[in-house]
Amino acid sequence: AQSVTQPDIHITVSEGASLELRCNYSYGATPYLFWYVQSPGQGLQLLLKYFSGDTLVQGIKGFEAEFKRSQSSFNLRKPSVHWSDAAEYFCAVGAPSGTYKYIFGTGTRLKVLA
Amino acid sequence: DAGVIQSPRHEVTEMGQEVTLRCKPISGHNSLFWYRQTMMRGLELLIYFNNNVPIDDSGMPEDRFSAKMPNASFSTLKIQPSEPRDSAVYFCASSPTPGGTEAFFGQGTRLTVV
Repeated sequence: AQSVTQPDIHITVSEGASLELRCNYSYGATPYLFWYVQSPGQGLQLLLKYFSGDTLVQGIKGFEAEFKRSQSSFNLRKPSVHWSDAAEYFCAVGAPSGTYKYIFGTGTRLKVLA
Repeated sequence: DAGVIQSPRHEVTEMGQEVTLRCKPISGHNSLFWYRQTMMRGLELLIYFNNNVPIDDSGMPEDRFSAKMPNASFSTLKIQPSEPRDSAVYFCASSPTPGGTEAFFGQGTRLTVV
């Protein structure tokens, strides 16, 4: 069955520190991969996506993610966190073809200490 | 582009009442998704449409829930009768075609059933 696992429910980092949010997926083939961010009371905004090609993808707000096929992972990173990055982050997978729907992980809530 | 538009943003209703949530997808998008977000279950896919046709409704929790897409620019999610456990944030999302791109989310409707 298709699934997405975000093992960290909560993460707290200090402003200026580096960040890595983990995402593992289970899928029959290489899916399309996404990271979304949700600020309180808001909808989900796309940070970045991976379809094919270079396994290191750059997104908005200084975020990047690396696709590792051997580990079925798509971890999100940021070298220096800003207080405004405090939000909930969702990893998602989508099928490249056929019945196309997006499966989301349970999310990681990021807290940033001043 | 105005993005995905959902209405109302907030809905408070009494148990047993009918609730209708509305969504206008981005013009030209052929796929539409309804998600429900709760603390306990995270972001769950309820149903998705492609070219106005329901493709997968396996996530609809029970017969009290129904969704329609009478045309390419409008969809509704109806709950009848509503129950307190239906309280959640309901998101609508759309994407241009099956496969190959990300989903664009609306701001959500926060439903409270008392």
